[in-house]
Amino acid sequence: GESVGLHLPTLSVQEGDNSIINCAYSNSASDYFIWYKQESGKGPQFIIDIRSNMDKRQGQRVTVLLNKTVKHLSLQIAATQPGDSAVYFCAENRDSNSGYALNFGKGTSLLVTP
Amino acid sequence: KAGVTQTPRYLIKTRGQQVTLSCSPISGHRSVSWYQQTPGQGLQFLFEYFSETQRNKGNFPGRFSGRQFSNSRSEMNVSTLELGDSALYLCASSWGFGTSQGYTFGSGTRLTVV
Repeated sequence: GESVGLHLPTLSVQEGDNSIINCAYSNSASDYFIWYKQESGKGPQFIIDIRSNMDKRQGQRVTVLLNKTVKHLSLQIAATQPGDSAVYFCAENRDSNSGYALNFGKGTSLLVTP
Repeated sequence: KAGVTQTPRYLIKTRGQQVTLSCSPISGHRSVSWYQQTPGQGLQFLFEYFSETQRNKGNFPGRFSGRQFSNSRSEMNVSTLELGDSALYLCASSWGFGTSQGYTFGSGTRLTVV
């Protein structure tokens, strides 16, 4: 069935290194993708989004890459900091007949070590 | 500017009981969506409300229901609770219907069914 999934459940990086979190999606009709960060005890927090008519979008220290050919999405975090430790989710905006619903991946836990 | 407020933060209920969770969206936001988050299934869409009408519904049994009031506040109800209903229930609000842009999540209500 259609799904959004993550390649790695956990990722450990050293402070200052760059992090790359990957995500695969299967619905080629998805036209909007979002990355969320969730810290313990909090709800998901928007990081960055990208529409299907784009290949790349940059934010502050974050870049999202979209490869529609292989249905792959990645989140790159530059100069990873301890405060980046959290669970990261990719989500696709899946249109239904009467509205939109976010379809989330399982999440990748990012641990930043000093 | 106040964020999305969910009450209560924590709840313990017994199997067979029913529960009502509340969500107050960001001022001006008219769309409210609900998600269930569990370690096994991740984040799953429950339903979306806009202008007091349910516009979209996920694949959950009829025991899960919701409503939205004229001030955009929303409640969700789960009847005949089962152990598997233990989860973090998240509410997200946005300014318009049918868009996940500007989705802002609350911190959730942690429901434990014993």
